[in-house]
Amino acid sequence: DSGVTQTPKHLITATGQRVTLRCSPRSGDLSVYWYQQSLDQGLQFLIQYYNGEERAKGNILERFSAQQFPDLHSELNLSSLELGDSALYFCASSVGLLTDTQYFGPGTRLTVL
Amino acid sequence: QQQVKQSPQSLIVQKGGIPIINCAYENTAFDYFPWYQQFPGKGPALLIAIRPDVSEKKEGRFTISFNKSAKQFSLHIMDSQPGDSATYFCAASNDYKLSFGAGTTVTVRA
Repeated sequence: DSGVTQTPKHLITATGQRVTLRCSPRSGDLSVYWYQQSLDQGLQFLIQYYNGEERAKGNILERFSAQQFPDLHSELNLSSLELGDSALYFCASSVGLLTDTQYFGPGTRLTVL
Repeated sequence: QQQVKQSPQSLIVQKGGIPIINCAYENTAFDYFPWYQQFPGKGPALLIAIRPDVSEKKEGRFTISFNKSAKQFSLHIMDSQPGDSATYFCAASNDYKLSFGAGTTVTVRA
């Protein structure tokens, strides 16, 4: 158990809808990262937050957004969902901004029908 | 495009064998190279990592070999066990953003 928690575990929704995925980092970790894992694209870095501020962006679509709250939990919002958004979404956390070691949560499996 | 190329896609070994997974990269700015292990239904878990100033690192039965001039690195699993059956991802970090390889599914037969 990495200490990173994610909810919900599974999410099934329809095209065009909006969903929110939640992540709680390990106790004491200030950085949160979001990744998307799909069969065709593999594991892709989406975005990083550090202590409430966005610090790095990867291959994140404009329909997706994230935020990190004062209690350090983070939410990933996915809107105008398409079939191709079906994937596993992982959250990871690390101690600081300049820390390489990232600990991954168990993931949220999103299915868009 | 994939910044880290990983091979093979899958491999099967007998218990006690040494599965070897290879990765290659182009971006010389990468400065941290971790390997992650992922079991079905779980998130990736950090296994072992290396920096480019070191050519080899061992942790238990897992060894990373790193060739900076060739821009290649590999994972060896010594004395492999059925419990090592999992998907292994190599990754490379630049500015603390991880770029992952496509993954290798390792099956260790008893």
